[in-house]
Amino acid sequence: GAVVSQHPSRVICKSGTSVKIECRSLDFQATTMFWYRQFPKQSLMLMATSNEGSKATYEQGVEKDKFLINHASLTLSTLTVTSAHPEDSSFYICSADRGGSTDTQYFGPGTRLTVL
Amino acid sequence: AQKITQTQPGMFVQEKEAVTLDCTYDTSDQSYGLFWYKQPSSGEMIFLIYQGSYDEQNATEGRYSLNFQKARKSANLVISASQLGDSAMYFCAMREGRVIQTGANNLFFGTGTRLTVIP
Repeated sequence: GAVVSQHPSRVICKSGTSVKIECRSLDFQATTMFWYRQFPKQSLMLMATSNEGSKATYEQGVEKDKFLINHASLTLSTLTVTSAHPEDSSFYICSADRGGSTDTQYFGPGTRLTVL
Repeated sequence: AQKITQTQPGMFVQEKEAVTLDCTYDTSDQSYGLFWYKQPSSGEMIFLIYQGSYDEQNATEGRYSLNFQKARKSANLVISASQLGDSAMYFCAMREGRVIQTGANNLFFGTGTRLTVIP
């Protein structure tokens, strides 16, 4: 199988601080990684597509200055929530595209962010 | 219009029985891929099964099979011999278009079905 890790799994921070979430593909290289947000009892909402070595593509309504994405290597993408506020509290989950004939995305375990 | 529709918010199944989770999709592309993911209470999304639009055979992976009816645009997941550990949210997803080398096609997700397996 394909393994994707995400760190931290849970973070609690004060309003106004920045939080960085890491997404790593452990046993394959991922040219493309995706960042999703999931509200309780809802489906996944795509935030942005992260391509190695280039700027991320953000979905409509997602503030690129608030959610900074960096994809510096083929195995690591980071999402930084800048100046977090309580409304940013959510479950953030990344996926890595393994490519190949099916283009399957493998997901990390997610990060639960709580902003006080 | 919704690209992926899952009409069953919740389903119950007796342990060891089979259950079908419904999924219909909407696309004008000839080439697309359909995926099912399982999300237990821990939150991680676990890839279960994949069906390509040009695949003539229904996909199977262990106890999971995908009932692919292209004309009806449905891709139902069948879980045979349900186990207590199958209790989770199940999401159907679609990738539109051809697989490209950079693998940049994003997924469209349905709203999910919560499956509860009863002992």
